[in-house]
Amino acid sequence: GAGVSQSPSNKVTEKGKDVELRCDPISGHTALYWYRQSLGQGLEFLIYFQGNSAPDKSGLPSDRFSAERTGGSVSTLTIQRTQQEDSAVYLCASSLVTEITEAFFGQGTRLTVV
Amino acid sequence: AQSVTQLGSHVSVSEGALVLLRCNYSSSVPPYLFWYVQYPNQGLQLLLKYTTGATLVKGINGFEAEFKKSETSFHLTKPSAHMSDAAEYFCAATNRNSGGYQKVTFGTGTKLQVIP
Repeated sequence: GAGVSQSPSNKVTEKGKDVELRCDPISGHTALYWYRQSLGQGLEFLIYFQGNSAPDKSGLPSDRFSAERTGGSVSTLTIQRTQQEDSAVYLCASSLVTEITEAFFGQGTRLTVV
Repeated sequence: AQSVTQLGSHVSVSEGALVLLRCNYSSSVPPYLFWYVQYPNQGLQLLLKYTTGATLVKGINGFEAEFKKSETSFHLTKPSAHMSDAAEYFCAATNRNSGGYQKVTFGTGTKLQVIP
């Protein structure tokens, strides 16, 4: 696609439910990143994929958070048993790995846990 | 480990005044450096980047930044602020980490307010 696409753009869920957030990176971008941006906070790194593997998942805040990437393309971030503190904007970005270059961001998914 | 520090979470300037947003990095090797802008309810958009070569880089909307290796800085400037510049600005650095992977590290962001 022309840019990084994230869906849904908005998600409201009840506390305790599981949610899945999707990221479709730019075609050919091997690197994929997930970040979380809470209200008034900066960008919190969650996980980094190169291809289908995740060499750096150091930012996942708890074992309720997981992510996978299939076919070296689409990635899904899953949050199980959501809590109110999970409410944030979840941003996905992708980049090339053949050269050091900038990351391109999607518009984000705004998650609200009620 | 690589880190990026942005001094000042909020900066206010008058319309027409100089904009200066500070960014310092910590890296064992000179990184590639970026400034992104985020307008309300939008994703991040690249303003400018430094990779190699000329240390003064120009970006969109009249912004520029200068890489100063001796000061490990990459401050963002604009000579004259416009109301439309009100947004949040993020400095970022990237390099190959020990595993050979590129990892992007972001600062905590600076919200720019432009006062009419």
